[in-house]
Amino acid sequence: QVHLVESGGGVVQPGRSLRLSCAASGFTFSAYPFHWVRQSPGKGLEWVAVISYDENSKLYADSVKGRFTISRDVSKNTLYLQMNNLRTEDTAMYYCATQQPPAYWGQGTLVAVSS
Amino acid sequence: EIVLTQSPATLSLSPGERATLSCGASQSVRGRYLAWYQQKPGLAPRLLISDASNRAIGIPDRFSGSGSGTDFTLTISRLEPEDFAVYYCQQYGTSPFTFGPGTRVDIK
Repeated sequence: QVHLVESGGGVVQPGRSLRLSCAASGFTFSAYPFHWVRQSPGKGLEWVAVISYDENSKLYADSVKGRFTISRDVSKNTLYLQMNNLRTEDTAMYYCATQQPPAYWGQGTLVAVSS
Repeated sequence: EIVLTQSPATLSLSPGERATLSCGASQSVRGRYLAWYQQKPGLAPRLLISDASNRAIGIPDRFSGSGSGTDFTLTISRLEPEDFAVYYCQQYGTSPFTFGPGTRVDIK
C-alpha cells in the first residue's frame, strides 16, 4: 500500500530557508517520478516541481525556479524540497505525490512565511 | 506556460443529476496528457482520470473523461452525495504541469 508522509513544515520568516521531506513506503521508491504540489489557503492547486525516477530530470514552476530544489534519497526512500529565500506568497500546504500524473498523495505539510 | 481554464466556476446540482465540467487549454495539450482530480475539504486531491479518458484505479464508472487538443470534459453521469467537491484539471504534457482553477460542484 502506497504511503507518503510529508514533514518539515512550520512558520518561517521571509528570506529564510526550510527543507521539506516526504517519506515513502509500500512501493519501489526508485521506479517512479515524484512531484511537489502546493495549495495556498482557500486557493487552488499549484504544481511546484517534479523529479524523474532516476534524478536525471528536475523541472520547476517559474514561481520557484532558482529558489527551490527538489531531490531524492533512494537509500532513505525520501523526497525533499529545499526552499530558500522564502516569500510570503510561498505560504501553502505542500503535498508530495508520485507517478505521472500524480496518483498517490501525502496528507501535506503546512508552510507559513510571515514576519 | 499552458493556461487552463475551467467552467463553470460553480455547478449547483441535485443528487442523481448529470454533471458536465469543462477544461480549456491555451494551447494544445501534448499527447492528451490531461488529468482530473477531486478534492474535498481538508483532504489531498484524488486522481480520477488520466490521459484524458482513463479512469484511475478504484474510480467508479459514473466518472468519465473525454476530449483532446484544447478542450476536455469530465462527466459524472449520476451524482452521488459523496461527489460534491471541487474538481481540478491538470495538463502534464508540457512543463510547467499546470492546474486549472477548479470547478466547485455543490448541492442545489
